[in-house]
Amino acid sequence: AQTVTQSQPEMSVQEAETVTLSCTYDTSESDYYLFWYKQPPSRQMILVIRQEAYKQQNATENRFSVNFQKAAKSFSLKISDSQLGDAAMYFCAYRSARGGSEKLVFGKGTKLTVNP
Amino acid sequence: DTEVTQTPKHLVMGMTNKKSLKCEQHMGHRAMYWYKQKAKKPPELMFVYSYEKLSINESVPSRFSPECPNSSLLNLHLHALQPEDSALYLCASSQDWDNLFYTQYFGPGTRLTVL
Repeated sequence: AQTVTQSQPEMSVQEAETVTLSCTYDTSESDYYLFWYKQPPSRQMILVIRQEAYKQQNATENRFSVNFQKAAKSFSLKISDSQLGDAAMYFCAYRSARGGSEKLVFGKGTKLTVNP
Repeated sequence: DTEVTQTPKHLVMGMTNKKSLKCEQHMGHRAMYWYKQKAKKPPELMFVYSYEKLSINESVPSRFSPECPNSSLLNLHLHALQPEDSALYLCASSQDWDNLFYTQYFGPGTRLTVL
């Protein structure tokens, strides 16, 4: 079974600075998808960024980018120019590419605080 | 528009009550999901519907009864709940069941308190 580990229960960053959230996963599969979701205190889970394992190029969405290291099974999220609105719980998630594997496997989350 | 709506936002119920949670999406998604989320924990999958048919039941107690009346709606009927069932209930939807690459879009959730 796949597992996702987020080793940082809490992180903090100063506004306008850069922060990196860590995520590692364990799988024996070669094809899969990885996601970062953000859940602010208002609680709606919002997709931040996603990565296809077969793509070597790291995904980027505005101030959010990932460092995907397939061999190391690492999928970290970098937030540049942090804003107060980035404060939230961040969940890393894994999904197998195998047909019929519909489940998202979530990490335990990292709570990000942004200090003004 | 990647919007999933859920009603009500908050629900307080006694252990003998019967209530329902509702979820709606108009993105043409054919897979819909119910998750339960406890405070400071990741979501736990409860049910998956694909093309209006129940595809996955993660060994959820029968006091939770899902229903998918049509491709846009998903209900969760609640009966004889326990205080430990108090949680945030999230609905999500995604483009297709067998699509090899899909993204789940979540609703804002219903905060359920069982007294």
